[in-house]
Amino acid sequence: EVQLLESGGGLVQPGGSLRLSCTASGFTFRIYGMNWVRQAPGKGLEWVSGISGGGRTTDYADSVKGRVTISRDNSKNTLFLQLNSLRADDTGVYYCAKDLGTSWNEESFDVWGQGTMVTVSS
Amino acid sequence: EIVLTQSPGTLSVSPGERATLSCRASQSVSSRYLAWYRQKPGQAPRLLIYDASRRATGIPDRFSGSGSRTDFTLTISRLEPEDFAVYYCQQYGSSPRTFGQGTKVEIK
Repeated sequence: EVQLLESGGGLVQPGGSLRLSCTASGFTFRIYGMNWVRQAPGKGLEWVSGISGGGRTTDYADSVKGRVTISRDNSKNTLFLQLNSLRADDTGVYYCAKDLGTSWNEESFDVWGQGTMVTVSS
Repeated sequence: EIVLTQSPGTLSVSPGERATLSCRASQSVSSRYLAWYRQKPGQAPRLLIYDASRRATGIPDRFSGSGSRTDFTLTISRLEPEDFAVYYCQQYGSSPRTFGQGTKVEIK
């Protein structure tokens, strides 16, 4: 069964840092681009960042550029999101999502994790 | 950045009836790279339609997508109980891969 499982969320103070992880199973992780999508409480979906299958190419939303780093360890089938200089408006559920196909950055998202909650508050 | 505007914000429909959702893009979406997702409360989104009109694996044929360039439509031919949810469109033809603000389909 194809599965994504996020972890690492929690409560952090403004200005703090957090590292999210997403462990994949059931598919050949290294050939697919992966993404992080977040959802503020009661709000819509916002794509945050994406990374190519090999990890050499990354992309970020303007709202997080310079504060967030996406990476992956293909030997461990794991995707990461390092969040720094966190602000209140970074609060939300963070989902990892798999590209449907292997054409980097031109794909919809066919598999989603259950999400991990990040709360930024003093 | 391509801005996607979904309408209506909320759609009230009776079970078994048809629902038509709209997604309008601020610029042309290249190669019809547009997807639709359904999100039930407390759950992750699920891919329904990709490339504007292709059904994702396991999606029943009551879901259909159409459109091109700046105007796209998701049609649900006969609403089932599990279809009362929020629907998002997404374009993935250019970065950033933006989402619409969502349409909530509620029971009339």
